[in-house]
Amino acid sequence: QQQVKQSPQSLIVQKGGISIINCAYENTAFDYFPWYQQFPGKGPALLIAIRPDVSEKKEGRFTISFNKSAKQFSLHIMDSQPGDSATYFCAASSRETSGSRLTFGEGTQLTVNP
Amino acid sequence: DGGITQSPKYLFRKEGQNVTLSCEQNLNHDAMYWYRQDPGQGLRLIYYSQIVNDFQKGDIAEGYSVSREKKESFPLTVTSAQKNPTAFYLCASNDRGSQPQHFGDGTRLSIL
Repeated sequence: QQQVKQSPQSLIVQKGGISIINCAYENTAFDYFPWYQQFPGKGPALLIAIRPDVSEKKEGRFTISFNKSAKQFSLHIMDSQPGDSATYFCAASSRETSGSRLTFGEGTQLTVNP
Repeated sequence: DGGITQSPKYLFRKEGQNVTLSCEQNLNHDAMYWYRQDPGQGLRLIYYSQIVNDFQKGDIAEGYSVSREKKESFPLTVTSAQKNPTAFYLCASNDRGSQPQHFGDGTRLSIL
């Protein structure tokens, strides 16, 4: 019930293309869904986050799409750049059942070819 | 500059030895967390602390211990009971009950 499933495990896109990473969850009490970006040898950094009262959130080239009924959310990176090459993690938490604890997906290694 | 400092960046452990990883934050956050990251896996929670002098086990606490004597510090000890300690360890913090979590840049622990 606490798991977050992330796919794909790895993704290769061409510069200028759209990168799409998907996550699915089971726990309907989850009410916060962040995406983190991690470069090699560094800690994850918050990229963008969404709460279930909206279906989409956009910040620059990054968009989260959220489907509450399907219990799925996804990250879209428009106009992907080589500098976007990193590992991306989705996560989820529930104020009601876990406070500020986060449950993470397995991660997606994104490579953007020039 | 506010942030989370983890030290050392690289650490080597001999068989049967305990080692302690340092995590210090100057963000005035109440809550702190320790995660373990293995290749191809997500972050798994080891221990967390919502307030000074209190902490709870996460999902993979066996073989680890922590203390929280000061608000800004949350050291993690990897004991000899942890049979597979080679991993990247990440510390995080946030205001209790709120998001997001902020991460340090990790400590990579290897076995000699």
